[in-house]
Amino acid sequence: ILNVEQSPQSLHVQEGDSTNFTCSFPSSNFYALHWYRWETAKSPEALFVMTLNGDEKKKGRISATLNTKEGYSYLYIKGSQPEDSATYLCAFFVDSNYQLIWGAGTKLIIKP
Amino acid sequence: NAGVTQTPKFQVLKTGQSMTLQCAQDMNHEYMSWYRQDPGMGLRLIHYSVGAGITDQGEVPNGYNVSRSTTEDFPLRLLSAAPSQTSVYFCATQRGEETQYFGPGTRLLVL
Repeated sequence: ILNVEQSPQSLHVQEGDSTNFTCSFPSSNFYALHWYRWETAKSPEALFVMTLNGDEKKKGRISATLNTKEGYSYLYIKGSQPEDSATYLCAFFVDSNYQLIWGAGTKLIIKP
Repeated sequence: NAGVTQTPKFQVLKTGQSMTLQCAQDMNHEYMSWYRQDPGMGLRLIHYSVGAGITDQGEVPNGYNVSRSTTEDFPLRLLSAAPSQTSVYFCATQRGEETQYFGPGTRLLVL
């Protein structure tokens, strides 16, 4: 059974501070790792799709790194703003059936 | 382009009733899927399809049926609604290993 774990489950961060959280996934048969941002009462929206070991992607103040050999990815948010409050999901792509195996998410709350 | 659309947005059913949740996409993506989202449980895959005429079960398929007669449409049928099926349902599409695109969701309450 493939398992994707995210930590911490929730995180309270002061506005202006930087933060990061972790996604752990199976290190064998790696194909791709996805990160999504999910605001309350909305649909998940894609942040990054990462495929190469050592890859680093950036979108504004948000960036992500990937280590496929040890099976983890970090998501970083620099200078947190209230609009960053959301649940951040990672998902492991299984190329045999195109499924995404989802983590339970890290809920980020930014305190003004 | 509308992307991924879902209807209805909200629905209230009585136990035992049946209904169909509609999902349509105009992105020509072969892969489509249905998820349910429950508090504290994240996204759970109900059924998915890798192309027209092909469907398969996900993690929580019981009580749901799907069909995929066209690339564009992937309806989800609740056969006999139960209170345990109260949830928010998301349809999503994908091309290969690329990003999944989600519909706006359908909120279902079963009394």
